[in-house]
Amino acid sequence: AQRVTQPEKLLSVFKGAPVELKCNYSYSGSPELFWYVQYSRQRLQLLLRHISRESIKGFTADLNKGETSFHLKKPFAQEEDSAMYYCALSVNNNAGNMLTFGGGTRLMVKP
Amino acid sequence: DGGITQSPKYLFRKEGQNVTLSCEQNLNHDAMYWYRQDPGQGLRLIYYSQIVNDFQKGDIAEGYSVSREKKESFPLTVTSAQKNPTAFYLCASSIFSADTQYFGPGTRLTVL
Repeated sequence: AQRVTQPEKLLSVFKGAPVELKCNYSYSGSPELFWYVQYSRQRLQLLLRHISRESIKGFTADLNKGETSFHLKKPFAQEEDSAMYYCALSVNNNAGNMLTFGGGTRLMVKP
Repeated sequence: DGGITQSPKYLFRKEGQNVTLSCEQNLNHDAMYWYRQDPGQGLRLIYYSQIVNDFQKGDIAEGYSVSREKKESFPLTVTSAQKNPTAFYLCASSIFSADTQYFGPGTRLTVL
């Protein structure tokens, strides 16, 4: 069965420091991966997806099939990046596509 | 932001009672989903529906039921059979099942 693991429940960095939120997955098929973010008092929303290969709010994520990882990175963290981040894997079964989420990592960026 | 709505925001129920959570979307999305969010466990899929009059069980469907009689509505009933119903419930929708999901604001259910 598919699984998404985010090993860090909490990541605390200072403003301007690099940040990397780890995500590992297990899935026998071709993976499609996403990062969702939930800012305080806001809805969960898509941050980026690997097929788009884009940078959103300075964040990037590269799919590494060899290491089965999809880590989220930003070279210089900002205080407004403080939020809950979820990595998710889209899995296709006979009944359609489902998202499997990791447990989430809370990022705190200190001034 | 207002394309997908959930009501109520907070819900309290006594043990042994069924309760229904509302989810409505005006985005004309075909697919809709219900998740349960618990601290440290991320989001777990309860039920999903790719199209009207069709729905599938997710990973934790026991003790829950849904209906999809209209494209814009996907209510979730938490039955008395659900052993640990106190949680935050999120509804989502997408244009089709493989596309980006858009989330509602959530309903926090507390069983007293």
